[in-house]
Amino acid sequence: GENVGLHLPTLSVQEGDNSIINCAYSNSASDYFIWYKQESGKGPQFIIDIRSNMDKRQGQRVTVLLNKTVKHLSLQIAATQPGDSAVYFCAESPSGTYKYIFGTGTRLKVLA
Amino acid sequence: NAGVTQTPKFQVLKTGQSMTLQCAQDMNHNSMYWYRQDPGMGLRLIYYSASEGTTDKGEVPNGYNVSRLNKREFSLRLESAAPSQTSVYFCASSILDRTYEQYFGPGTRLTVT
Repeated sequence: GENVGLHLPTLSVQEGDNSIINCAYSNSASDYFIWYKQESGKGPQFIIDIRSNMDKRQGQRVTVLLNKTVKHLSLQIAATQPGDSAVYFCAESPSGTYKYIFGTGTRLKVLA
Repeated sequence: NAGVTQTPKFQVLKTGQSMTLQCAQDMNHNSMYWYRQDPGMGLRLIYYSASEGTTDKGEVPNGYNVSRLNKREFSLRLESAAPSQTSVYFCASSILDRTYEQYFGPGTRLTVT
């Protein structure tokens, strides 16, 4: 079936550097995308979302970019901090459904 | 405001036993969801309830049943547990539909031996 995947399972970055986490999706009918952060032993926590009529959205220290041509989603975290260490999931939601399809996740490790 | 709560936090079952996972939200959300999360995999949708009184199958519904008891509560039942159902189960809710942020509970870690 169609699914959302991630290019890198683990990403290590130096504290203070910018992080970029990538995600590929395959369902061209998806019109809503979310990034979640999951810390060990906790449920996923919403970071930022984007609708398919946009190609960029910014939040506090985070930016999501959407490239519908190549079905690619990325999350940029500025000035990465130790508290950003977690697993990050992208998720897509196909139009006309109530469903989300989650990727497998990327673990972000912040090095001091 | 507790958000989304789940009980129990941990559970060990023997193959063939049954149990119900409880979920409640106090945010007056219309939609509720049950996911499972297996090691090295993303969350997979088991069932969802778009609104009180309705439930629908997700990606992996086999072996599970759900009840939307009222607007606040959405339970997940395993009638005859199998080792393949060992997983972490998350409940989530959203204010209206899929285009709104989902709030997740802390999860239930279930082991079936």
